[in-house]
Amino acid sequence: DTEVTQTPKHLVMGMTNKKSLKCEQHMGHRAMYWYKQKAKKPPELMFVYSYEKLSINESVPSRFSPECPNSSLLNLHLHALQPEDSALYLCASSQYPQGGWGTEAFFGQGTRLTVV
Amino acid sequence: DAKTTQPTSMDCAEGRAANLPCNHSTISGNEYVYWYRQIHSQGPQYIIHGLKNNETNEMASLIITEDRKSSTLILPHATLRDTAVYYCIVKGANNLFFGTGTRLTVIP
Repeated sequence: DTEVTQTPKHLVMGMTNKKSLKCEQHMGHRAMYWYKQKAKKPPELMFVYSYEKLSINESVPSRFSPECPNSSLLNLHLHALQPEDSALYLCASSQYPQGGWGTEAFFGQGTRLTVV
Repeated sequence: DAKTTQPTSMDCAEGRAANLPCNHSTISGNEYVYWYRQIHSQGPQYIIHGLKNNETNEMASLIITEDRKSSTLILPHATLRDTAVYYCIVKGANNLFFGTGTRLTVIP
């Protein structure tokens, strides 16, 4: 199984809502990532979890709150988002955290989020 | 991590080889070159990676120059399904930061 599964595939939420994105992998990977991708732009790194601990936060606003309940799951909790936060949110995993030489990352298909 | 420079877009005739260049002149000795592609609205897909030697797998070949300052991804027989944005990434003791990529269009 080389899949990273993200749910939901599509999400529409109001600016006062609270919602969560979910990501799951069963490859035994110890690094998991959240990326944000706006239309026609490359993915931008948001967070990195290494061995279930947050290791990198790329200055992401606090209205995005990541959580890693166990080694297979990664959540992104959303609260009080703005319309400009509408984007494709991608989850990825890799065998080793940063510093893992020569390992590839596997990406999920993303959650397309629309904030209204 | 080293930055990469890629052409914004390229066309390739179906059945021909697609050669996608990437410059990474500031790459350091322990940084790998990775290639990913992203088909419209899907998650990025890993293609290939290498350090110094040329690499080949079932999808593509990666040619890295001897000074490691540039590389070329080769899709030997491009098909319409290879139309995508191709990202060249240099990865060291950090994480996968994407550059702007090359939009490859395979033409029938």
